[in-house]
Amino acid sequence: AAGVIQSPRHLIKEKRETATLKCYPIPRHDTVYWYQQGPGQDPQFLISFYEKMQSDKGSIPDRFSAQQFSDYHSELNMSSLELGDSALYFCASSFRLAGVSNEQFFGPGTRLTVL
Amino acid sequence: AQSVTQPDIHITVSEGASLELRCNYSYGATPYLFWYVQSPGQGLQLLLKYFSGDTLVQGIKGFEAEFKRSQSSFNLRKPSVHWSDAAEYFCAVGAGSSASKIIFGSGTRLSIRP
Repeated sequence: AAGVIQSPRHLIKEKRETATLKCYPIPRHDTVYWYQQGPGQDPQFLISFYEKMQSDKGSIPDRFSAQQFSDYHSELNMSSLELGDSALYFCASSFRLAGVSNEQFFGPGTRLTVL
Repeated sequence: AQSVTQPDIHITVSEGASLELRCNYSYGATPYLFWYVQSPGQGLQLLLKYFSGDTLVQGIKGFEAEFKRSQSSFNLRKPSVHWSDAAEYFCAVGAGSSASKIIFGSGTRLSIRP
């Protein structure tokens, strides 16, 4: 079965650079979510999109932005990178049933290292 | 505010022994509850979920969890653990508009003693 695809899987950037992470949800899923997991930490919700509109917002820094495109894939743009942005970034997708988000399926994550 | 507490940071059990991982949540309405497992450097795999109905939920890999509203708990159990169960386990609650975000607990690391 198709799963959530994230690219790249690994990314190394310098401080103050920009990074773009991509997420391709499971076919027919209409909602995507972004999470950040620091070393030894639990995943923290960043932002979600439903039908290309922002659905919920969590602890996403102002330096980060995200969007969902017409084909439902999503991109997380990160600017002015800081050392503390080094983390595993997960994307998840789901579909809504009766107005409620169903089970979220997680991608393998993108490991971002900021030097 | 919604929150999830996993009081045990690290648990070690012998292979073949039973397992119970504790989870308590704080949520105003009827919660959507999840247990995820994460192997080192890997993604998150859903073990089981509770949305409504029967309070005893069966999941994959022989895991089960019981929702107890009176205790605000959703403990994960397995009658006999295998060495391959060694991983990080996260309890989580669905929150936000239309349960559109997941709030994770801090995780419990499970080690298996041969």
